Formats: sequence, structure tokens, C-alpha cells
Amino acid sequence: AQKVTQAQTEISVVEKEDVTLDCVYETRDTTYYLFWYKQPPSGELVFLIRRNSFDEQNEISGRYSWNFQKSTSSFNFTITASQVVDSAVYFCALSETTQGGSEKLVFGKGTKLTVNP
Amino acid sequence: DAGVIQSPRHEVTEMGQEVTLRCKPISGHDYLFWYRQTMMRGLELLIYFNNNVPIDDSGMPEDRFSAKMPNASFSTLKIQPSEPRDSAVYFCASSLLFWWQFFGPGTRLTVL
Repeated sequence: AQKVTQAQTEISVVEKEDVTLDCVYETRDTTYYLFWYKQPPSGELVFLIRRNSFDEQNEISGRYSWNFQKSTSSFNFTITASQVVDSAVYFCALSETTQGGSEKLVFGKGTKLTVNP
Repeated sequence: DAGVIQSPRHEVTEMGQEVTLRCKPISGHDYLFWYRQTMMRGLELLIYFNNNVPIDDSGMPEDRFSAKMPNASFSTLKIQPSEPRDSAVYFCASSLLFWWQFFGPGTRLTVL
């Protein structure tokens, strides 16, 4: 079965520090997608990024960057110069094709990031 | 534009009662998903629909749970009878592209 591991349950940093959230996945699919979602205190999940398994280029979006390494089955997320508004639970997710042929997302347990002023 | 709308936002009920959660997806989205989030199990997909048709309900925990989508703008998740272990946050999400899912604010269900 597909699996997503976010080993860091909680991380606490001081504002302006850089922080990396780890994500390791297991899959037998040759083609798959990886995702990051943010869940702020308000509760709803917000889509951040999707990467497909054939594209290992790192991606940067403002203070956010993602490092996809197929060799280590990792898709890590770095926030540069963290801000208090970055405080949230961050979920890594992996696409899974079920035996019945349907698709779904498998989520990790999440990493709670607290950025202190 | 309005996002995914869920109601109620909070529900407290007693064991054995019927609970109905409601969702209005974003207009034009073909997919609708129901998820459950608990501390123990994290975020789990319960069921999803495509064009109002249930595609995968393998995540529905048991027969006490049922979901319907009578039209493109409305879906319900019903639990009957409810049990304390059903206490969780239930999210509805919709998408036009399967993978780009927009989540609602969730319904926090407490079963006493």
C-alpha cells in the first residue's frame, strides 16, 4: 500500500528562521503525483503544490521551495525566512491508484509548524 | 467566488442519533470528495463522486455511513446511528482537475 511519512510531528521556530518539513513516501506506481497542503488554524486545507514523478526539478515560489528526490523517495518542503503566518499544519500527500482503478490521495499525518515572533 | 460550503460547522449529538452533513461544491467542479480527519488516523478519504456518480466508496467505514449527491451542487454524508468513535472533522472538497482539490472549512462532529 502507498504510504506517506512525515516524521516531524511538531516543529517550533523563531520568526525569520528557515525550516524544512520532511516527507518520505512509498509507492509501487511508476507514475504518481506528490502534493503539499497547508491547514491553517481556521481548519480548511489549502493546496500548495503538485509535482509529478517525472519532474525532479526543484521548485521555488516566493519563500517556499520544494526538493523532490526520487532516489530517496523524498519530497521536502522548505520555508525561508519563516513568518508567524506560516504557522499551520502541513500535509504531504501521494496519489494512489487503487486496485479498482480509481485514484485517491494518501495523506501523511502532518507536521505542525509554529513560528514564534 | 464562494468556495466549498459545508454545514453545519459544528455538530454535537448523542450516540444513536442520525447525523447529516451537507456540502455545496464550487460551481463547475466535476469531482466531490468527503474526507474525515482524526488525531489517530489523520486525513482519510471516505468517498468521492464524479459527475454526481460515486466512484470509490472503499473508505466508508461501515454501513452506518452513506453519501449521496443528488445534483451537481449538493451532497450529503449521513451517519445513522452515530457512535462516539465517529467524532472527527469531516471535510468536503471539490475539484475540476482531480488532483487540485479545494477543501471546505469542515464540520466538527462530536458524538456524546
